[in-house]
Amino acid sequence: RKEVEQDPGPFNVPEGATVAFNCTYSNSASQSFFWYRQDCRKEPKLLMSVYSSGNEDGRFTAQLNRASQYISLLIRDSKLSDSATYLCAVKELTGGGNKLTFGTGTQLKVEL
Amino acid sequence: DAGVIQSPRHEVTEMGQEVTLRCKPISGHDYLFWYRQTMMRGLELLIYFNNNVPIDDSGMPEDRFSAKMPNASFSTLKIQPSEPRDSAVYFCASSSDRLANTIYFGEGSWLTVV
Repeated sequence: RKEVEQDPGPFNVPEGATVAFNCTYSNSASQSFFWYRQDCRKEPKLLMSVYSSGNEDGRFTAQLNRASQYISLLIRDSKLSDSATYLCAVKELTGGGNKLTFGTGTQLKVEL
Repeated sequence: DAGVIQSPRHEVTEMGQEVTLRCKPISGHDYLFWYRQTMMRGLELLIYFNNNVPIDDSGMPEDRFSAKMPNASFSTLKIQPSEPRDSAVYFCASSSDRLANTIYFGEGSWLTVV
């Protein structure tokens, strides 16, 4: 089983729709959680951290469910510019203290 | 501010040749990471350094791969000999805090081995 798993998609949604992605992780000792955005042929960039109580940044809402070991990303009122691949990342507290493991990403296509 | 700088951006090489990828992290960052991204396997951590010292190289696929960080502003990832299955995008990234809450990626080195 992969450490971090995502549905690769693609998710094709009309502009203005609400779309949600989930990401499951296998290590219950995982400490920190993130969503990254990657545009085609570009590098990943941090979209938002995921806090235990859930957090919101404009149209984006991230949530963490430790009991079921998954994180989610909700995008409301989706825009054409939201089309990208969304990668979840999980940080484990290791001896070195700094290892981020990424999922393979979920592709989102927002259409007119 | 300059971000993480990688070179070359694109490289096409023949099987068996040596490939050297270079990275300059963001000034002041004390963590440096090498990731590889392919369609099949996604983004994989190969190795990371803290204060120029390799901390975890468990992701390095085999002895053909080696990485060095001779000083705080430079790192290399070397593949010798290269094989077609090494074709991927290699990202270097850096971070400034032990919690790694934000990792900044370079634009990547697109490697094709034919």
